Amino acid sequence: EAGVAQSPRYKIIEKRQSVAFWCNPISGHATLYWYQQILGQGPKLLIQFQNNGVVDDSQLPKDRFSAERLKGVDSTLKIQPAKLEDSAVYLCASSSSRDVLFNYGYTFGSGTRLTVV
Amino acid sequence: GDSVTQMEGPVTLSEEAFLTINCTYTATGYPSLFWYVQYPGEGLQLLLKATKADDKGSNKGFEATYRKETTSFHLEKGSVQVSDSAVYFCALSADQKLVFGQGTRLTINP
Repeated sequence: EAGVAQSPRYKIIEKRQSVAFWCNPISGHATLYWYQQILGQGPKLLIQFQNNGVVDDSQLPKDRFSAERLKGVDSTLKIQPAKLEDSAVYLCASSSSRDVLFNYGYTFGSGTRLTVV
Repeated sequence: GDSVTQMEGPVTLSEEAFLTINCTYTATGYPSLFWYVQYPGEGLQLLLKATKADDKGSNKGFEATYRKETTSFHLEKGSVQVSDSAVYFCALSADQKLVFGQGTRLTINP
């Protein structure tokens, strides 16, 4: 099966600019996650979707970050305006209802590496 | 809240050496436990998992046993290869979410 697709792979922007990342999960996976991985740290959950509804966005800095999952498939994560501390790898992951039910973990995409200068 | 603590890296070993990367966790309830691996320039890949106490996960020569009494899930491999060089993350699953440790960078020298 095709994996989780993310684009772009790399992005360099200046602070205060805006940026958007795109994710296409594995077909049929109802749950989608966005994680932020700062260099030298483990990934941290930003937001979790179940179909097109938000399950958990408690760690999302809502003053500058937004995410949507229209039609319950693809998702976009946006940062506006970006700060230097947003430099990180943004990982998208998806899981099936069965994987979630049995705590089997999820499948990650390759990530988008964002550098804010 | 739930958390995972891994041994700090980086870890450097010679080929064919024995590997242990320690991982302990704090959680309410009974989480599932995972090891993920991140090769240079790639995304996170699931290496192995265990869903209940005393389960042993294994894959590619790596093993880890879910120890409830010591709240640990240490990763081991009997003979490492250069191709095992990567960053290894221990994680737990609680409330449908993965909580990660900080990662351990492993370098294997020929």
